[in-house]
Amino acid sequence: QITLKESGPTLVKPTQTLTLTCTISGFSLNARGVGVSWVRQPPGKALEWLALIYWDDDKRYNPSLRSRLTITKDTSKNQVLLRMTSMDPVDTATYYCTRKMIRGFRLDPWGQGTLVTVSS
Amino acid sequence: QPVLTQPPSSSASPGESARLTCTLPSDFNVAGYNIYWYQQKPGRPPRYLLYFYSDSDNDRASGVPSRFSGSTDASANTGILVISGLQSEDEADYYCMIWPNNAGVFGGGTKLTVL
Repeated sequence: QITLKESGPTLVKPTQTLTLTCTISGFSLNARGVGVSWVRQPPGKALEWLALIYWDDDKRYNPSLRSRLTITKDTSKNQVLLRMTSMDPVDTATYYCTRKMIRGFRLDPWGQGTLVTVSS
Repeated sequence: QPVLTQPPSSSASPGESARLTCTLPSDFNVAGYNIYWYQQKPGRPPRYLLYFYSDSDNDRASGVPSRFSGSTDASANTGILVISGLQSEDEADYYCMIWPNNAGVFGGGTKLTVL
């Protein structure tokens, strides 16, 4: 069974850096074509794609957030990390990680998500 | 990055068909992209439904009923998700997505109400 689980702080202060962890199971981060993506969703709003890391460590970012995001992976721990700097209240959202399937850009399955609130 | 336009809401009665659209800007030709569709119910993560590129290149996720299908309308530069034989459980938010230059872009989502 393939699962992904997000973890990290539920509350961060403005200007701080957020680091989220996605722990995967049931698939390998080394499998050719596989990737892990991060997506967020502010309360009551639409999904927003953030970043993608491939099995070969290639990375892609949302251009509008590129300067604030860093995605990395630790294959030995089966984890993918997302770092977002300069957090602001508008970054309050549920953050999801999801597997990019081997073929194409299908995102399946998804983690349950973790709500991050940015407030002083 | 392109803006994908989805109507904020749509509604139909049980048993009817719902046609949800995702319009790409004119500088992004729908014929050149896989259009991915996701369903999200309240309090739940999104769920991959299907993608459509052409009649010979498309895919429906395992467990997704054949009532869900994709298509495109080249004249309107639009991706389409059709849900036939609507059921109450189909009430959800639906998002389209494309990947220009290997960077993902979601549409604004359509809230489908089954009357």
